[in-house]
Amino acid sequence: DIQMTQSPSNLSTSVGARVTVTCRASQNIDIYLNWYQHKSGTAPKLLIFGASTLNPGVPSRFTGSGSGMDFTLTISRLQPEDSATYYCQQSQTIPTFGQGTRVE
Amino acid sequence: EVKLVESGGGLVKPGGSLQLSCAASGFAFEYYFMNWVRQTPGKGLEWVASISTSGVDTYYRDSVRGRFSVSRDNSKSLVYLEMNTLRAEDTGLYYCARDQGIPPRSYFDFWGQGIQVTVS
Repeated sequence: DIQMTQSPSNLSTSVGARVTVTCRASQNIDIYLNWYQHKSGTAPKLLIFGASTLNPGVPSRFTGSGSGMDFTLTISRLQPEDSATYYCQQSQTIPTFGQGTRVE
Repeated sequence: EVKLVESGGGLVKPGGSLQLSCAASGFAFEYYFMNWVRQTPGKGLEWVASISTSGVDTYYRDSVRGRFSVSRDNSKSLVYLEMNTLRAEDTGLYYCARDQGIPPRSYFDFWGQGIQVTVS
């Protein structure tokens, strides 16, 4: 299976800050990389698919970039409602997820 | 509004069985692959199984193949996960998720809220 490694594992910052989460694949996955937001007790939410395509209804402060093995999720101006755990997931082969980044 | 609602979880002894159900509404169920994804204490999020639109094709992660079986009833907009020979490491929160792609290019655009399965 393709291993996905996220960093950092935890991140605590301020409202209005710019936040960057990185995700590295153990092999080339082209642009088959997706990002999810998960708040405890709720259904996970798809933010970005195909490395950089924003899912409809997701605020434009969320952006994704990267290709190959290295990817980034950026939140341009953090809002209180963005407190959550963020996961990357590759869809090059059998789906696998990163271990998550908790943003507070 | 797309809704996915899981049911059927609970506490079961090692070696036991459970059947999960997922009731879908708000979209044309028969046109989408459906998946089960779990969140376990030790391994985070893990994809478990997928089923094609017709139900003919199914896919499983290695650790559950031969023990779990995914099926669907398009007339009732239901997807099932039959889990047999359960192990402690199957403990987790099980999510039903709609596939916006086709395996292996799967990504999950709607998820249920999850149902707890505890093997102990």
